[in-house]
Amino acid sequence: EIVLTQSPATLSLSPGERATLSCRASHSVSSSLAWYQHKPGQAPRLLIFDASNRATGSPARFSGSGSGTDFTLTISSLEPEDFAVYYCQQRTNWPFTFGPGTKVDIK
Amino acid sequence: QVQLVQSGAEVRKPGASVKVSCKASGYTFTGHYIHWVRQAPGQGLEWMGWINPNSGDTSSAEKFQGRVTMTTDTSISSAYIELSSLTFDDTAIYYCARDFLGSTWLFDPWGQGTLVTVSS
Repeated sequence: EIVLTQSPATLSLSPGERATLSCRASHSVSSSLAWYQHKPGQAPRLLIFDASNRATGSPARFSGSGSGTDFTLTISSLEPEDFAVYYCQQRTNWPFTFGPGTKVDIK
Repeated sequence: QVQLVQSGAEVRKPGASVKVSCKASGYTFTGHYIHWVRQAPGQGLEWMGWINPNSGDTSSAEKFQGRVTMTTDTSISSAYIELSSLTFDDTAIYYCARDFLGSTWLFDPWGQGTLVTVSS
């Protein structure tokens, strides 16, 4: 099973600041890494797939990069609605696994 | 628009079973796998398994094998997951999610979630 590690666990930032979230895989997942946003009481939402492709409806301030074992989700300028938990997910190997999440909260 | 609507919250005793439903609309139901993902209190997301509504084929994570049954009723565009021999550790929000592009192992959109509480 591929284990995904996310850092930091919590990121405290102010609106307008840049957020950089990291996801590291225990084995290479090539570019098959996705990012989801999850707000309390809501369903998770796909933001980025295949490392750098924005899903339909995902704002341009969200960008993804990386390949192999190291990936980054960047939010260029935080909007109030961006404060949430972000999960990475790999789809290279069964079972499909998620990282433990990074909580982006308001400083 | 594509929408998944799940059944309401359930409370079960340890050892019992629970069945959660997920009704899809806004797309061709048989064209996309349905996945099930759960989130225990204070924990992250855990993929449980998928079902191909077109064939009925399923695949589940090893920890749930023998205890999980996934089915669909294509006549009403609905998917179901039944989990048996419940323990306290099965207390979680259970989500269904459509496969993003068919069978890509990406999950979007998701249902609103169903809280299953296992309590004596």
